[in-house]
Amino acid sequence: QQQVKQSPQSLIVQKGGISIINCAYENTAFDYFPWYQQFPGKGPALLIAIRPDVSEKKEGRFTISFNKSAKQFSLHIMDSQPGDSATYFCAPPLGGNYQLIWGAGTKLIIKP
Amino acid sequence: DTGVSQNPRHKITKRGQNVTFRCDPISEHNRLYWYRQTLGQGPEFLTYFQNEAQLEKSRLLSDRFSAERPKGSFSTLEIQRTEQGDSAMYLCASSLWGVTGELFFGEGSRLTVL
Repeated sequence: QQQVKQSPQSLIVQKGGISIINCAYENTAFDYFPWYQQFPGKGPALLIAIRPDVSEKKEGRFTISFNKSAKQFSLHIMDSQPGDSATYFCAPPLGGNYQLIWGAGTKLIIKP
Repeated sequence: DTGVSQNPRHKITKRGQNVTFRCDPISEHNRLYWYRQTLGQGPEFLTYFQNEAQLEKSRLLSDRFSAERPKGSFSTLEIQRTEQGDSAMYLCASSLWGVTGELFFGEGSRLTVL
């Protein structure tokens, strides 16, 4: 059962542009919506996360938007930089063991 | 450095050999997770511990895989009789139970089985 659908699979954006990655979920039990960033050869690292009591959270150039009725949340990267080139995963935790339910990942390439 | 530490970072072994990976979590974290990741895929959950108790194991974890966390601190993941299909990045993560759902990952141990 695929509980989290992430899109697009890959994305190429010009430097300075806006990168948008989406995640749709099925299970309404999710109550924490994180995005993880992973560089080649490294482990994933939490980038930004939101709880469902707010619709948007901004941290620097990164914004996470949450639409509860549509069961979607998205990551926006403003003024995208080559250093943002990485794979991004949505991975909401489920249940008391906080097991992460991983999206398929989006490989983002920022062209200089 | 107070992050999650994994050793060795790279391991090349021949099919049929046993390998062991070690993970040192963030010191105050009581939960420890093992994941496996192959190229181009997201991490796959293998198992997790709360303190020294192994609370859940994935069906992906065959009998050749065993994990321990003897004193509730560091953990080891052993793979016996390695197969080429075991080649992957093995990721360890830790967290503090009850505090959000954020996991802190190590840099991983890459296994290549020849």
